[in-house]
Amino acid sequence: NAGVTQTPKFQVLKTGQSMTLQCAQDMNHEYMSWYRQDPGMGLRLIHYSVGAGITDQGEVPNGYNVSRSTTEDFPLRLLSAAPSQTSVYFCASSYVQGGVEKLFFGSGTQLSVL
Amino acid sequence: SQQGEEDPQALSIQEGENATMNCSYKTSINNLQWYRQNSGRGLVHLILIRSNEREKHSGRLRVTLDTSKKSSSLLITASRAADTASYFCATAFTGGGNKLTFGTGTQLKVEL
Repeated sequence: NAGVTQTPKFQVLKTGQSMTLQCAQDMNHEYMSWYRQDPGMGLRLIHYSVGAGITDQGEVPNGYNVSRSTTEDFPLRLLSAAPSQTSVYFCASSYVQGGVEKLFFGSGTQLSVL
Repeated sequence: SQQGEEDPQALSIQEGENATMNCSYKTSINNLQWYRQNSGRGLVHLILIRSNEREKHSGRLRVTLDTSKKSSSLLITASRAADTASYFCATAFTGGGNKLTFGTGTQLKVEL
């Protein structure tokens, strides 16, 4: 199993450009989520999904869109990139057992917005 | 933000020594998890402790939880150079569903 696969690994954008970060998982997990990691800030939740067709906002959703048309895929769209969105982005899939959610992370996408 | 805070921010030890890192949080929790992040990689789940537990062990890892002080500690015994990584606590707050909130992390460096 590949686990959680994120593409691309690196991306440079100009302010105002749009792009989609791809995330796919092959573990048949119902839950998927996107985090951003900034120095000194830990990981902050952007958006998450509890199943195909269901998405919800996390702590820092502004400037990002998501959709979940299949169990496997959960793309993150930047509509109009801003320098404040320079960050490392992690996608995670997860399952809940006994009231506990356990996350499996991809290897990340390093995004720079100039 | 209901973020956990890890302490210290950075820790440097010699191989064979024990490493202890702490996590404090603000509100009551259902469970607390520790994750490791190697440089340039995603986070990997290490160990889970539920709110009704006080101590858990997994190999060289020992985690404790003190809900009265709203704090947890992760102890890595007999550390190895391969333990060099960042360590994050993540908490599931009571009433927050299952969603995890991550702390800011402790950078551990184990030197030969």
